[in-house]
Amino acid sequence: GAVVSQHPSWVICKSGTSVKIECRSLDFQATTMFWYRQFPKQSLMLMATSNEGSKATYEQGVEKDKFLINHASLTLSTLTVTSAHPEDSSFYICSARVIASGRKADTQYFGPGTRLTVL
Amino acid sequence: QKEVEQNSGPLSVPEGAIASLNCTYSDRGSQSFFWYRQYSGKSPELIMSIYSNGDKEDGRFTAQLNKASQYVSLLIRDSQPSDSATYLCAVRAAAGNKLTFGGGTRVLVKP
Repeated sequence: GAVVSQHPSWVICKSGTSVKIECRSLDFQATTMFWYRQFPKQSLMLMATSNEGSKATYEQGVEKDKFLINHASLTLSTLTVTSAHPEDSSFYICSARVIASGRKADTQYFGPGTRLTVL
Repeated sequence: QKEVEQNSGPLSVPEGAIASLNCTYSDRGSQSFFWYRQYSGKSPELIMSIYSNGDKEDGRFTAQLNKASQYVSLLIRDSQPSDSATYLCAVRAAAGNKLTFGGGTRVLVKP
């Protein structure tokens, strides 16, 4: 299957600081990238959808000024958690939708996730 | 009513047996269907995608889709302890961009 990477895999930061998470599709171009958050023992929660070169679409209840998304190219999207607080501690996972035609035309792959701990 | 429903489990299966997971969805316009496996503390991993009615087999996994009845299922043959995980059903509408996930079914394969 296609590969999506995320960096860093884990990060610990102090309250009030900002954290940037990178998501890259390594061997394909992604029409769309998605950012999810998952708290322990809970389901995936979609935070936002981003397309290259355009503003991200945020899900209801997700603060766009707090979770900044930049989708600079068809292979790179970044999520910046600004002024992080302990309640932002979670598992952040990006996902990329494949652009290629054929059997993989509508497939979505997940990155390995970034575990954020805010002290 | 949830858009994508799964039994939360746990589904306890003896090693070597068949695990059968079901998923129902409410949007008749759904066109793409996926099964993901998620181990505790890890991100989801794509197992199968299916787009048309019928069965699709890949190794020990078989996905079955019935659009008329609005359900998709996953069979895991010769279940192994390493198959113990949460299995997520995901659905995408024809005109949609994002996936709608079920709550997941936790599978426990006992040696």
